[in-house]
Amino acid sequence: DIQMTQSPSLLSASVGDRVTLNCKASQNINKNLNWYQQKLGEAPKLLIYYTNNLQTGIPSRFSGSGSGTDYTLTISSLQPEDVATYYCYQYNSGPTFGAGTKLELK
Amino acid sequence: EVQLVESGGGLVQPGRSLKLSCVASGFTFSNYGMNWIRQAPGKGLEWVAYISSGSSYIYYAETVKGRFTISRDNAKNTLYLQMTSLRSEDTALYYCARRVGPDYWGQGVMVTVSS
Repeated sequence: DIQMTQSPSLLSASVGDRVTLNCKASQNINKNLNWYQQKLGEAPKLLIYYTNNLQTGIPSRFSGSGSGTDYTLTISSLQPEDVATYYCYQYNSGPTFGAGTKLELK
Repeated sequence: EVQLVESGGGLVQPGRSLKLSCVASGFTFSNYGMNWIRQAPGKGLEWVAYISSGSSYIYYAETVKGRFTISRDNAKNTLYLQMTSLRSEDTALYYCARRVGPDYWGQGVMVTVSS
């Protein structure tokens, strides 16, 4: 199975900060990676698909990058409504989620 | 508007069975593969099973293989998850989600396995 390691597990940042969330795969996943946002009590929402494609309706402050085993979700200017847990998800083989990064306001 | 509505959850004793349903609307159900994904209380997300659009390809997580069966009825726009030999560790909110890299998710249905 492919293991997905997200870092950090908890991130505190201020409104307006540039925020970077990381996801590392245990083997090459060929950019077959999505990012999801889950707010408390809600279903996950797709933000980024296939590493760097912004899902329709998602603000442009969200972006994704990466290749091979290393992937990144960036929020260019943190907003209060971005407080949530973020999960990466690889679907290259035997789909797996990362454990999540909880993003809170400082 | 894409909608996925799960049902069939509840409290069940260990070792018993339960069948979940997910009714889809707002898109051509028969054109899309579908997933079941679960989330234990206070925990992260776990992919459970996938079925292709025509049911030709079916995959399971190792944690449920041999106990759970995913199926679909394209005429009824409905996805199913038959769960047998349930264990306490199967307690979770179960989501259905569209596509290999899921784009739309339902709101989930709670399954609690406890005596």
